[in-house]
Amino acid sequence: AQSVTQLDSHVSVSEGTPVLLRCNYSSSYSPSLFWYVQHPNKGLQLLLKYTSAATLVKGINGFEAEFKKSETSFHLTKPSAHMSDAAEYFCVVTLYNNNDMRFGAGTRLTVKP
Amino acid sequence: ETGVTQSPTHLIKTRGQQVTLRCSSQSGHNTVSWYQQALGQGPQFIFQYYREEENGRGNFPPRFSGLQFPNYSSELNVNALELDDSALYLCASSYQGLNTEAFFGQGTRLTVV
Repeated sequence: AQSVTQLDSHVSVSEGTPVLLRCNYSSSYSPSLFWYVQHPNKGLQLLLKYTSAATLVKGINGFEAEFKKSETSFHLTKPSAHMSDAAEYFCVVTLYNNNDMRFGAGTRLTVKP
Repeated sequence: ETGVTQSPTHLIKTRGQQVTLRCSSQSGHNTVSWYQQALGQGPQFIFQYYREEENGRGNFPPRFSGLQFPNYSSELNVNALELDDSALYLCASSYQGLNTEAFFGQGTRLTVV
């Protein structure tokens, strides 16, 4: 079975500094990996996805993530945080067809002015 | 906005009652998945519907049931409500195929008292 572990429940950064949200995955087969963002009282929005093409994936709003098979990691980064990035971020793994997407527990990102 | 609409947005029910939540999928999508997100946790997969049949189920009891209609919209039914059923229920719409992404609705906040 597949699963993800988000290593930090809460990350706090200052505006303009880099963001790193960590995710490790476990999967018996080649997984598809996603990062979703959830702003308060809103649904989930897809930031980016890895589906066995390029290992460095670029997403929306300046976010990117690198798939590292040897480390079973899929960390999310952004060079410079913006106040609007404050939200809950979820790392997600699935095997195929979006069936049974396994979410991590989430990382709450706080951006200080 | 994703084009996935859920109704109602909020709902309060009494323990033991039954509830029906609705989801309209995005145009062109033929698959609907339902997730339960308890407060402070990541979403958990309930089940997926494809071609009007259940196409995978998570670890939820049979009192959680669903339907998909010919227009690909879907319902989630929960019988004999328990206090622990209080959560945000999310619907995700996708197209059955490799490497497709899921689009989430805003969710229905269910409170059981």
